[in-house]
Formats: sequence, structure tokens, C-alpha cells
Amino acid sequence: AQSVTQLDSQVPVFEEAPVELRCNYSSSVSVYLFWYVQYPNQGLQLLLKYLSGSTLVKGINGFEAEFNKSQTSFHLRKPSVHISDTAEYFCAVSDRGGFKTIFGAGTRLFVKA
Amino acid sequence: DAGVTQSPTHLIKTRGQQVTLRCSPKSGHDTVSWYQQALGQGPQFIFQYYEEEERQRGNFPDRFSGHQFPNYSSELNVNALLLGDSALYLCASSYRAGTGARTTEAFFGQGTRLTVV
Repeated sequence: AQSVTQLDSQVPVFEEAPVELRCNYSSSVSVYLFWYVQYPNQGLQLLLKYLSGSTLVKGINGFEAEFNKSQTSFHLRKPSVHISDTAEYFCAVSDRGGFKTIFGAGTRLFVKA
Repeated sequence: DAGVTQSPTHLIKTRGQQVTLRCSPKSGHDTVSWYQQALGQGPQFIFQYYEEEERQRGNFPDRFSGHQFPNYSSELNVNALLLGDSALYLCASSYRAGTGARTTEAFFGQGTRLTVV
């Protein structure tokens, strides 16, 4: 079975500051890892994914994440945030067959002017 | 190219009633997964349909059932509604090349907001 822990429920940050949203996972098998963003009253949008290969993954809107197998982490980073990045961010893990995706509880990123 | 579409967008039901939610997958996709997202929580996997069969199921009671049609669209049915069933129900579609193959990334619809009173 897989599980996902997002270590921060809320992250307030000033505009143009860097941000890191932390995610740890556990699994007895190899997995794929994802970060999704959810704006108010909307569905989920894929930011980036790790399937294999380079452990540094670049996504949309300037976000990137690093897969660390030894620490079972997949932290999301952005060097300079904008007001428009205010949203809920979800880390997720799926089995390699893609049969089931498990989501974390979410981290609310609040960007202040 | 239409993405994943869900209907209705909002729904209010009374305890004990039954509800049906609908999902049309993105063009070219053949696999549909359903998720329940309670307020302030992450989405919880309900089940996944491929080739008109339920392939995987999360920890949800039998009151939650589904169906996939030959055109790959899907329905989620919930019987004997409880107040705790109030949530955003998300549908996600992906493409699976064969029964044992991995799916491509999932695309999500905007969701159906179900309120049980």
C-alpha cells in the first residue's frame, strides 16, 4: 500500500520569495510521483510528474521537484512565486500500472503582496 | 479538444436518496477513475473503470457503484445518501494501451459538488 504525507498544511510566503512544499511518501513497490494544483472551485491540474530518469523534474509555471529515493521525498520548489500561485497543492503517488492514485491532504500556498 | 467533462456541476440531495454523476473522458482516453474530495482534504480514490469493468477499488462501501459505457463515458452512483457523502466528486481519464499496460497521465474534470441535506 502507498501513502503520502504533506508536511505543511499551509505555507504563507511573500511575492517573489522562494518556496518549498514538502512531500514524503511510503510504498513497498516502485511508484510514480505527481504534483497537482487546484484553484478554488476547480478540478486538479498536473504541475509535474516523475516516472523515471532524472530525479529533477521541471513542470509548468516555473515549478520543479526533486525525487529523493533514499529519503522517500518529492519536494516541490519555485524560486520566485507570484500572487497567482495562491492555490492548493497536492502531492500524489500511483502504482506503476496507474491503477490507483493516492493523494496527500494538500498544502495551501498563500502568496502575499 | 474537449477535456474531461462532468455533469451536473452542482447537486443537492436529501439523506437516503440516490444520485448519479456522469463523466465524459478526454478524447482518446479509455480509462476513467472517480475520486471523492471532502472539504479541506485531498481526493480519495473510489474506483477505476477500464473496458467496462471495475479494475481497482478504494476503501468505499458498496453504496458507491459505477458503470462504464462502450463510448468510455462513466457514471458514479451513490445509494442511501448520508450527510458525510457531501463532497466534490472528481472524474479523471487516462489511456491504457492494454489490460496490463500502464496508463498515461490522468486529466481531471472540474468536478460535481454534491451537497446532502
